Amino acid sequence: AQKITQTQPGMFVQEKEAVTLDCTYDTSDPSYGLFWYKQPSSGEMIFLIYQGSYDQQNATEGRYSLNFQKARKSANLVISASQLGDSAMYFCAIGSGTSYGKLTFGQGTILTVHP
Amino acid sequence: DAGVTQSPTHLIKTRGQQVTLRCSPKSGHDTVSWYQQALGQGPQFIFQYYEEEERQRGNFPDRFSGHQFPNYSSELNVNALLLGDSALYLCASSTGTGVGYGYTFGSGTRLTVV
Repeated sequence: AQKITQTQPGMFVQEKEAVTLDCTYDTSDPSYGLFWYKQPSSGEMIFLIYQGSYDQQNATEGRYSLNFQKARKSANLVISASQLGDSAMYFCAIGSGTSYGKLTFGQGTILTVHP
Repeated sequence: DAGVTQSPTHLIKTRGQQVTLRCSPKSGHDTVSWYQQALGQGPQFIFQYYEEEERQRGNFPDRFSGHQFPNYSSELNVNALLLGDSALYLCASSTGTGVGYGYTFGSGTRLTVV
């Protein structure tokens, strides 16, 4: 079984500052992938970033980076230069081995960006 | 380029009734997965369809069933609705069965059971 834990129900950040959203995971599968999604109030899940368990370098996608610490089983999302449009729910998810199609999500973190 | 289209956007049903939700995948995608998201929770995997067959299934009862058509669109059927089935139902499409980062999600169907 796989599990994702997001311990921050809500986070606040000032516009243009950086913010880190925490995610820890548990899996017995040696091959897995970690994902972050953004869900605005419209409901649609928007893919942000992906990290494979064998990737040597941390993933980056524009203002998003994933701080992957395999030994600690953590996959924190860092958003740099926050924008008002970043206010949304953020979910961390894990897929294992060849079953990436089945993602296990965490409870989510609500991010609010203040002007 | 149209993304994933789900219909209807909102639905109200009575306990015991049956409901059908529909999903049209993004152009070029052949795999459809369904997720249930209860209020304040993360999405939970229901099942995945590829080549018109159910390939993977999450921990959901048989009341939840699905279908995929030759044009890759999909339906989610829920029988004997319970109050606990009230949720946002998300459809995600991708190419193949194993590439999570290639998912495109729809905006979902919000089902309310009264």
